[in-house]
Amino acid sequence: GENVEQHPSTLSVQEGDSAVIKCTYSDSASNYFPWYKQELGKRPQLIIDIRSNVGEKKDQRIAVTLNKTAKHFSLHITETQPEDSAVYFCAASRVGTALIFGKGTTLSVSS
Amino acid sequence: ETGVTQTPRHLVMGMTNKKSLKCEQHLGHNAMYWYKQSAKKPLELMFVYNFKEQTENNSVPSRFSPECPNSSHLFLHLHTLQPEDSALYLCASSQERDMNQPQHFGDGTRLSIL
Repeated sequence: GENVEQHPSTLSVQEGDSAVIKCTYSDSASNYFPWYKQELGKRPQLIIDIRSNVGEKKDQRIAVTLNKTAKHFSLHITETQPEDSAVYFCAASRVGTALIFGKGTTLSVSS
Repeated sequence: ETGVTQTPRHLVMGMTNKKSLKCEQHLGHNAMYWYKQSAKKPLELMFVYNFKEQTENNSVPSRFSPECPNSSHLFLHLHTLQPEDSALYLCASSQERDMNQPQHFGDGTRLSIL
């Protein structure tokens, strides 16, 4: 079955810096890769997703890149702000399977 | 966003009690999920229902019993739980299980076992 590894487990950055979180997956048939943000005490919320037919997707300060050959995908947050502080989860799935989540990255943005 | 509603938000119960968690979605989705989230652990998928049929049970102990009477409602019945079952239980829904669509989560039920 699918296995998703996420790194780092914690990440601390200064406000205005960029943050990068990386995930690798094992199932080469996986074709859907969402990222979720979970603020303290709140529900996980989808912030961006990418499908295997594209290599990069951007939404304002957030971008996701996908390398199908290497089987890894990354979340990039530019110009970080304190409100970006949260736990971020990556996930992967293919048609016929439920999402498999990574272990999460706790991002702390200090002002 | 109130698309997925979970009740209660907090629950404290003894190991011999029986209680139920409820999840309701108003998004017209056909797949619903139960996850367990413990401190510093990944989201652990427990059960998946697609069009009211259970499609996955990830080796969950029998003291957790799911019920899906229709595509909008999902229950998790609890009995004789253990202290290690204390966690946040999240419900989620998606359009269909197999269609690689985003999942929408509820706020969760914070469960504490005494």
